[in-house]
Amino acid sequence: GAGVSQSPSNKVTEKGKDVELRCDPISGHTALYWYRQSLGQGLEFLIYFQGNSAPDKSGLPSDRFSAERTGGSVSTLTIQRTQQEDSAVYLCASSLNRGEQFFGPGTRLTVL
Amino acid sequence: DAKTTQPPSMDCAEGRAANLPCNHSTISGNEYVYWYRQIHSQGPQYIIHGLKNNETNEMASLIITEDRKSSTLILPHATLRDTAVYYCIVRLMKTSYDKVIFGPGTSLSVIP
Repeated sequence: GAGVSQSPSNKVTEKGKDVELRCDPISGHTALYWYRQSLGQGLEFLIYFQGNSAPDKSGLPSDRFSAERTGGSVSTLTIQRTQQEDSAVYLCASSLNRGEQFFGPGTRLTVL
Repeated sequence: DAKTTQPPSMDCAEGRAANLPCNHSTISGNEYVYWYRQIHSQGPQYIIHGLKNNETNEMASLIITEDRKSSTLILPHATLRDTAVYYCIVRLMKTSYDKVIFGPGTSLSVIP
């Protein structure tokens, strides 16, 4: 079956522009996570959606970052007024009933 | 913050067993130990998890100490393809909450 997909795979943008990153989780998975990974670093937790509950946004680094999950499925991570320090790989994962997480291939964001 | 500590790097000879330690001294009774690995430029991949008992699957074995304050991931016959960053995490899987935080992990290099 299909795994977690993310789009675009690569995004190059200019400082100050807004970007939207998309995650399609595995069908039926109730939990969805966003992480950020800067070059040579570990995974930084950003946000967590569980079913219809309010998301845990405690990892979002600033108010320029926001995320939505529509209909309990697809999620969009939006970064407004991008900065060079936002350059990283953005990883999405989903899981079913708190089981193992399945990760997508990530979106590599480069802010010039 | 991550609730685990791991050595930043380890080497292992090809064909030998790789033993990766993890300390989780503040683990609570209902937290599971999970292991993931991330091969360069890919999303993390689930390996194994456990609560109290030792576990084994086709990829690895997980040994959890009796007091549950530490664990060891064992790759019985390491190959060059096992070169990756290995993450040990603890998960509190309440019915409605499962925030997963990754630490910096251990970078394992399998040497020919």
